[in-house]
Amino acid sequence: GAVVSQHPSRVICKSGTSVKIECRSLDFQATTMFWYRQFPKKSLMLMATSNEGSKATYEQGVEKDKFLINHASLTLSTLTVTSAHPEDSSFYICSARLAGEMETQYFGPGTRLLVL
Amino acid sequence: GQNIDQPTEMTATEGAIVQINCTYQTSGFNGLFWYQQHAGEAPTFLSYNVLDGLEEKGRFSSFLSRSKGYSYLLLKELQMKDSASYLCAAMDSNYQLIWGAGTKLIIKP
Repeated sequence: GAVVSQHPSRVICKSGTSVKIECRSLDFQATTMFWYRQFPKKSLMLMATSNEGSKATYEQGVEKDKFLINHASLTLSTLTVTSAHPEDSSFYICSARLAGEMETQYFGPGTRLLVL
Repeated sequence: GQNIDQPTEMTATEGAIVQINCTYQTSGFNGLFWYQQHAGEAPTFLSYNVLDGLEEKGRFSSFLSRSKGYSYLLLKELQMKDSASYLCAAMDSNYQLIWGAGTKLIIKP
Protein backbone atom coordinates (compact mmCIF):
# COMPACT_ATOMS: atom_id res chain seq x y z
CA GLY A 1 0.00 0.00 0.00
CA ALA A 2 0.91 3.66 -0.16
CA VAL A 3 3.28 4.65 2.64
CA VAL A 4 4.05 8.15 3.84
CA SER A 5 6.89 8.85 6.23
CA GLN A 6 7.69 11.88 8.32
CA HIS A 7 10.96 12.91 9.85
CA PRO A 8 11.63 13.60 12.61
CA SER A 9 8.96 11.85 14.62
CA ARG A 10 9.69 13.99 17.62
CA VAL A 11 11.65 17.22 18.07
CA ILE A 12 12.38 19.52 20.96
CA CYS A 13 13.82 22.93 20.20
CA LYS A 14 14.50 26.24 21.85
CA SER A 15 12.27 29.23 21.31
CA GLY A 16 13.43 31.30 18.35
CA THR A 17 14.96 28.47 16.37
CA SER A 18 13.62 26.99 13.15
CA VAL A 19 12.55 23.41 12.68
CA LYS A 20 12.17 21.52 9.41
CA ILE A 21 9.81 18.57 9.07
CA GLU A 22 10.01 16.28 6.07
CA CYS A 23 7.13 14.36 4.53
CA ARG A 24 7.95 11.67 1.99
CA SER A 25 5.79 9.38 -0.10
CA LEU A 26 7.83 6.19 -0.18
CA ASP A 27 6.29 4.11 -2.93
CA PHE A 28 4.21 6.52 -4.97
CA GLN A 29 4.30 9.98 -6.48
CA ALA A 30 2.23 12.52 -4.61
CA THR A 31 1.06 15.42 -6.70
CA THR A 32 -0.54 16.99 -3.66
CA MET A 33 0.48 17.00 -0.02
CA PHE A 34 -1.41 18.41 2.91
CA TRP A 35 -0.08 19.71 6.21
CA TYR A 36 -2.20 19.52 9.33
CA ARG A 37 -1.65 20.42 12.94
CA GLN A 38 -3.46 18.96 15.88
CA PHE A 39 -3.60 20.28 19.42
CA PRO A 40 -4.30 17.88 22.30
CA LYS A 41 -7.84 16.55 22.28
CA LYS A 42 -8.68 18.59 19.21
CA SER A 43 -9.28 17.60 15.63
CA LEU A 44 -6.95 18.02 12.70
CA MET A 45 -6.67 21.51 11.33
CA LEU A 46 -5.57 21.90 7.74
CA MET A 47 -2.71 24.37 7.51
CA ALA A 48 -1.89 24.30 3.83
CA THR A 49 -2.12 22.35 0.61
CA SER A 50 0.98 22.02 -1.52
CA ASN A 51 1.19 20.93 -5.13
CA GLU A 52 4.49 19.82 -6.58
CA GLY A 53 6.31 22.65 -8.28
CA SER A 54 3.97 25.42 -7.21
CA LYS A 55 3.38 27.60 -4.18
CA ALA A 56 1.42 26.21 -1.29
CA THR A 57 -2.14 27.35 -0.61
CA TYR A 58 -2.48 28.37 3.02
CA GLU A 59 -5.67 28.24 5.05
CA GLN A 60 -7.03 31.39 6.60
CA GLY A 61 -5.18 32.36 9.74
CA VAL A 62 -2.01 30.39 8.91
CA GLU A 63 1.03 32.62 8.49
CA LYS A 64 2.86 31.68 5.33
CA ASP A 65 6.04 33.43 6.45
CA LYS A 66 6.08 31.44 9.65
CA PHE A 67 5.20 28.05 8.20
CA LEU A 68 7.28 27.67 5.06
CA ILE A 69 6.23 24.84 2.79
CA ASN A 70 8.29 23.50 -0.06
CA HIS A 71 7.14 20.73 -2.39
CA ALA A 72 10.17 20.38 -4.59
CA SER A 73 9.55 16.87 -5.88
CA LEU A 74 6.73 14.37 -6.29
CA THR A 75 7.90 12.47 -3.22
CA LEU A 76 8.97 15.18 -0.80
CA SER A 77 7.36 18.13 0.92
CA THR A 78 8.89 20.05 3.81
CA LEU A 79 7.36 22.25 6.46
CA THR A 80 9.67 24.68 8.22
CA VAL A 81 8.46 26.32 11.40
CA THR A 82 10.48 29.52 11.55
CA SER A 83 11.32 31.29 14.80
CA ALA A 84 9.35 28.73 16.76
CA HIS A 85 7.59 29.72 19.94
CA PRO A 86 6.01 27.58 22.68
CA GLU A 87 2.56 28.12 21.19
CA ASP A 88 3.77 26.33 18.05
CA SER A 89 4.14 23.15 20.06
CA SER A 90 1.77 20.71 18.44
CA PHE A 91 1.41 17.48 16.51
CA TYR A 92 2.09 18.09 12.82
CA ILE A 93 0.75 15.54 10.35
CA CYS A 94 1.21 15.40 6.60
CA SER A 95 -0.82 13.48 4.08
CA ALA A 96 -0.28 12.77 0.41
CA ARG A 97 -2.56 12.24 -2.52
CA LEU A 98 -1.94 10.58 -5.86
CA ALA A 99 -2.99 12.17 -9.10
CA GLY A 100 -6.38 10.81 -10.08
CA GLU A 101 -7.26 9.63 -6.57
CA MET A 102 -8.91 12.76 -5.30
CA GLU A 103 -10.76 10.97 -2.50
CA THR A 104 -7.77 9.32 -0.86
CA GLN A 105 -5.20 10.83 1.46
CA TYR A 106 -2.41 8.73 2.89
CA PHE A 107 -1.27 9.99 6.25
CA GLY A 108 2.21 10.15 7.66
CA PRO A 109 2.85 9.10 11.26
CA GLY A 110 3.09 12.68 12.52
CA THR A 111 5.77 14.82 14.11
CA ARG A 112 5.47 16.00 17.68
CA LEU A 113 7.08 19.41 18.16
CA LEU A 114 7.85 20.82 21.57
CA VAL A 115 9.22 24.34 21.75
CA LEU A 116 10.79 25.27 25.06
CA GLY B 1 -20.50 27.30 6.76
CA GLN B 2 -19.02 23.85 6.93
CA ASN B 3 -19.47 21.85 10.07
CA ILE B 4 -19.07 18.35 11.44
CA ASP B 5 -20.71 17.24 14.69
CA GLN B 6 -19.96 14.10 16.63
CA PRO B 7 -20.14 13.24 20.34
CA THR B 8 -17.10 14.12 22.39
CA GLU B 9 -16.86 10.88 24.31
CA MET B 10 -18.56 7.50 24.55
CA THR B 11 -18.10 4.54 26.85
CA ALA B 12 -18.84 0.91 26.01
CA THR B 13 -18.15 -2.55 27.36
CA GLU B 14 -15.77 -5.09 25.89
CA GLY B 15 -17.64 -7.47 23.61
CA ALA B 16 -20.55 -5.10 23.09
CA ILE B 17 -21.61 -2.94 20.12
CA VAL B 18 -21.29 0.82 19.87
CA GLN B 19 -22.55 3.31 17.29
CA ILE B 20 -20.83 6.64 16.81
CA ASN B 21 -22.93 9.23 15.02
CA CYS B 22 -21.81 12.10 12.84
CA THR B 23 -23.74 14.88 11.14
CA TYR B 24 -22.18 17.11 8.54
CA GLN B 25 -22.77 20.25 6.52
CA THR B 26 -20.40 20.94 3.66
CA SER B 27 -20.17 22.93 0.47
CA GLY B 28 -20.67 20.10 -1.94
CA PHE B 29 -19.98 16.51 -0.99
CA ASN B 30 -17.48 13.95 -2.18
CA GLY B 31 -17.75 11.36 0.51
CA LEU B 32 -17.63 10.68 4.24
CA PHE B 33 -14.63 9.19 5.96
CA TRP B 34 -14.04 7.56 9.31
CA TYR B 35 -10.58 7.42 10.82
CA GLN B 36 -9.27 5.85 14.00
CA GLN B 37 -6.65 7.70 15.98
CA HIS B 38 -4.78 6.34 18.97
CA ALA B 39 -3.21 8.85 21.33
CA GLY B 40 -0.01 10.30 19.94
CA GLU B 41 -0.44 8.68 16.54
CA ALA B 42 -1.68 9.82 13.15
CA PRO B 43 -5.18 8.85 11.98
CA THR B 44 -5.63 5.55 10.21
CA PHE B 45 -8.28 5.06 7.57
CA LEU B 46 -11.32 2.97 8.49
CA SER B 47 -14.00 3.61 5.89
CA TYR B 48 -15.25 5.73 3.02
CA ASN B 49 -18.89 6.17 2.00
CA VAL B 50 -20.05 8.19 -0.95
CA LEU B 51 -23.33 6.41 -1.68
CA ASP B 52 -26.23 5.94 0.71
CA GLY B 53 -26.28 2.75 2.67
CA LEU B 54 -24.23 0.50 4.85
CA GLU B 55 -20.66 -0.61 4.13
CA GLU B 56 -19.48 -3.54 6.20
CA LYS B 57 -15.84 -4.34 6.79
CA GLY B 58 -15.25 -6.99 9.41
CA ARG B 59 -16.18 -5.75 12.87
CA PHE B 60 -16.61 -2.20 11.58
CA SER B 61 -19.49 -0.90 9.48
CA SER B 62 -20.25 2.60 8.27
CA PHE B 63 -23.56 4.06 7.17
CA LEU B 64 -24.35 7.15 5.13
CA SER B 65 -27.52 9.10 4.44
CA ARG B 66 -26.74 11.97 2.11
CA SER B 67 -30.23 13.45 2.32
CA LYS B 68 -29.93 13.71 6.10
CA GLY B 69 -26.26 14.69 6.20
CA TYR B 70 -25.74 11.81 8.58
CA SER B 71 -23.33 8.96 9.05
CA TYR B 72 -22.53 6.46 11.74
CA LEU B 73 -19.70 4.08 12.50
CA LEU B 74 -20.73 0.79 14.07
CA LEU B 75 -18.19 -1.24 15.99
CA LYS B 76 -19.08 -4.80 16.95
CA GLU B 77 -17.48 -7.25 19.36
CA LEU B 78 -15.56 -4.47 20.98
CA GLN B 79 -12.01 -5.15 22.05
CA MET B 80 -9.85 -3.18 24.46
CA LYS B 81 -7.61 -2.15 21.57
CA ASP B 82 -10.58 -0.30 20.03
CA SER B 83 -10.15 2.37 22.71
CA ALA B 84 -9.23 5.38 20.59
CA SER B 85 -10.61 8.55 19.09
CA TYR B 86 -12.80 8.14 16.01
CA LEU B 87 -12.73 11.03 13.57
CA CYS B 88 -15.51 11.75 11.12
CA ALA B 89 -14.47 13.77 8.06
CA ALA B 90 -16.51 14.94 5.09
CA MET B 91 -14.94 15.81 1.76
CA ASP B 92 -16.29 18.97 0.18
CA SER B 93 -16.58 19.97 -3.46
CA ASN B 94 -12.90 20.97 -3.55
CA TYR B 95 -11.90 17.50 -2.31
CA GLN B 96 -10.85 19.04 0.97
CA LEU B 97 -11.47 17.09 4.18
CA ILE B 98 -13.55 18.83 6.82
CA TRP B 99 -12.83 17.18 10.15
CA GLY B 100 -14.94 16.61 13.20
CA ALA B 101 -13.39 17.03 16.63
CA GLY B 102 -13.39 13.27 17.17
CA THR B 103 -15.19 10.93 19.54
CA LYS B 104 -13.11 9.43 22.30
CA LEU B 105 -14.25 5.85 22.79
CA ILE B 106 -13.50 4.28 26.15
CA ILE B 107 -13.82 0.50 26.39
CA LYS B 108 -14.33 -1.01 29.82
CA PRO B 109 -13.74 -4.68 30.67
